[in-house]
Amino acid sequence: AQKITQTQPGMFVQEKEAVTLDCTYDTSDPSYGLFWYKQPSSGEMIFLIYQGSYDQQNATEGRYSLNFQKARKSANLVISASQLGDSAMYFCAMRRRSGAGSYQLTFGKGTKLSVIP
Amino acid sequence: NAGVTQTPKFQVLKTGQSMTLQCAQDMNHNSMYWYRQDPGMGLRLIYYSASEGTTDKGEVPNGYNVSRLNKREFSLRLESAAPSQTSVYFCASSEVVTKPGELFFGEGSRLTVL
Repeated sequence: AQKITQTQPGMFVQEKEAVTLDCTYDTSDPSYGLFWYKQPSSGEMIFLIYQGSYDQQNATEGRYSLNFQKARKSANLVISASQLGDSAMYFCAMRRRSGAGSYQLTFGKGTKLSVIP
Repeated sequence: NAGVTQTPKFQVLKTGQSMTLQCAQDMNHNSMYWYRQDPGMGLRLIYYSASEGTTDKGEVPNGYNVSRLNKREFSLRLESAAPSQTSVYFCASSEVVTKPGELFFGEGSRLTVL
């Protein structure tokens, strides 16, 4: 069974500091993908970053990077130089194949990040 | 750029009433999904449609039905609403080829069942 675990219900970070949001996963599939989404208080889901299980390098997208440790089954999100606008819920999700040409995402329960001025 | 459009955005129902949440995407995606989001639970998959003409159950399908009307539209129906179905519902679509699994979400529909 696929499982995503986010152990930090809430996190605080000082503005301009870096923060790491934890995500561990469990799967027996050799091929999978890991995603991070941001949900601000307005409610929309915003895609941040993606890591494929066969990708050799850690994914980066601007101030976001994914610390992918395959042997430990972890995919932590690192946000550098935090900004007030980073205050939001963050969800880790894992892709699995659910049939020919179809995929599902399983989500963790989320981490609420609060950036302190 | 419309992307994924959900209607209505807000709805209040009484227990036992029925309603349909509508979803349409203009990105020519094959796969569409309905999730519900509850506090502390993350997003849970209700139903999905891998392609036009097919639908499958997700993690929490009880109390819901879906229809993939065409490639663009995927509706979610509550036949007899219950307070446990009070939630925020998200429709999403995905493109298999470019980034398998990445979901493009609608803005969400907040449903309250009294």
